[in-house]
Amino acid sequence: GAGVSQSPSNKVTEKGKDVELRCDPISGHTALYWYRQRLGQGLEFLIYFQGNSAPDKSGLPSDRFSAERTGESVSTLTIQRTQQEDSAVYLCASSTSTGLSGNTIYFGEGSWLTVV
Amino acid sequence: GQNIDQPTEMTATEGAIVQINCTYQTSGFNGLFWYQQHAGEAPTFLSYNVLDGLEEKGRFSSFLSRSKGYSYLLLKELQMKDSASYLCAVRDSTGANNLFFGTGTRLTVIP
Repeated sequence: GAGVSQSPSNKVTEKGKDVELRCDPISGHTALYWYRQRLGQGLEFLIYFQGNSAPDKSGLPSDRFSAERTGESVSTLTIQRTQQEDSAVYLCASSTSTGLSGNTIYFGEGSWLTVV
Repeated sequence: GQNIDQPTEMTATEGAIVQINCTYQTSGFNGLFWYQQHAGEAPTFLSYNVLDGLEEKGRFSSFLSRSKGYSYLLLKELQMKDSASYLCAVRDSTGANNLFFGTGTRLTVIP
């Protein structure tokens, strides 16, 4: 597609429920990133994929968070047993490669998650 | 580990020049990016530096000194629409070549 696409754009869920957030990167982009941004705060790294593998999962805040990527394309971020502290916008970004330093990463519009 | 520092907030006058500083300490370095983020929107790419020196792009310029772990973003002829957060991000050259962001500088342009 023309840009990074994320869905849902907005999600309100009850505490304790599971949620799935989807990211469609720009076609041909092998690197995919997930970030979390709480209201008024900076971007917090969650996980990064190169192809379908995740060489860096160091940012996942707890075992309630998991992510996968298939076909070197779509990625899904899953949050189990959501807590109110999970309320944030979840941003997905992609780039052609991280091996080449000049490759810009492009962000999607984000999925705004509210846990009530 | 990574440590990226930026001022939290800045205010400047329409038509003026403002410089937003960023200092970083990372395990490895493979480039520094500046992004602009308007409230409620996704970050958008502004500039990229990997070698020392100044990169100019219209009203925006970005400078890098790798030996000092320092960068700045220079905005000239400020416009009201430049009110936004400006995010400094460093690509780590170790391991996964990941991209880490500072907390951002919220710039307010006043008439």
